[in-house]
Amino acid sequence: DAAVTQKPRYLIKMKGQEAEMKCIPEKGHTAVFWYQQKQSKELKFLIYFQNQQPLDQIDMVKERFSAVCPSSSLCSLGIRTCEAEDSALYLCSSSQFNSAETLYFGSGTRLTVL
Amino acid sequence: GDSVTQTEGLVTVTEGLPVKLNCTYQTTYLTIAFFWYVQYLNEAPQVLLKSSTDNKRTEHQGFHATLHKSSSSFHLQKSSAQLSDSALYYCALSGSNVGDNSKLIWGLGTSLVVNP
Repeated sequence: DAAVTQKPRYLIKMKGQEAEMKCIPEKGHTAVFWYQQKQSKELKFLIYFQNQQPLDQIDMVKERFSAVCPSSSLCSLGIRTCEAEDSALYLCSSSQFNSAETLYFGSGTRLTVL
Repeated sequence: GDSVTQTEGLVTVTEGLPVKLNCTYQTTYLTIAFFWYVQYLNEAPQVLLKSSTDNKRTEHQGFHATLHKSSSSFHLQKSSAQLSDSALYYCALSGSNVGDNSKLIWGLGTSLVVNP
């Protein structure tokens, strides 16, 4: 079983609605990463937190997403206004210190935007 | 820029035969580590191998890879493919320069299909 917990497992939203997904990193891990994976299988980096602070994110996240880690044991990724192109598997991962350490992934939240 | 290239999107092999998944990279980072992650169907990616030492063979679960900085490669190999090896394999590079945060660069992934 994945040491990183993600909820919900499935999420269905209508276009224009808000979506939120949560991630519980592995205990003791200070680095949290979010990825988007579509059918094309590419792992698209979204945002990286270190000690709950966002250190790196892509423009799409800045523009349409909201991501926070209010505590070391909880992070969330939100989409303010869902679009069809946001349909994907959203994977949360954590590592002990940074990306040079092994990443442990959650099972993901599969978002479908209708 | 920095990149990881997995030349094959799909590799098909017959059970029992050797398999090789290619991974090459381009980077200006000073400190680097390499990973192979595997993602089985409907599961989360998980680490398969990790290496940061040039010319040292790393093995796990029957797979092995050797980092060759001279050729900028970190190919994944197995001498005898099993049906259970069918999965999506990612090569990834973690690198940083002095004073910077490390960054993780992913290849696009190679689907491995092992046929009976």
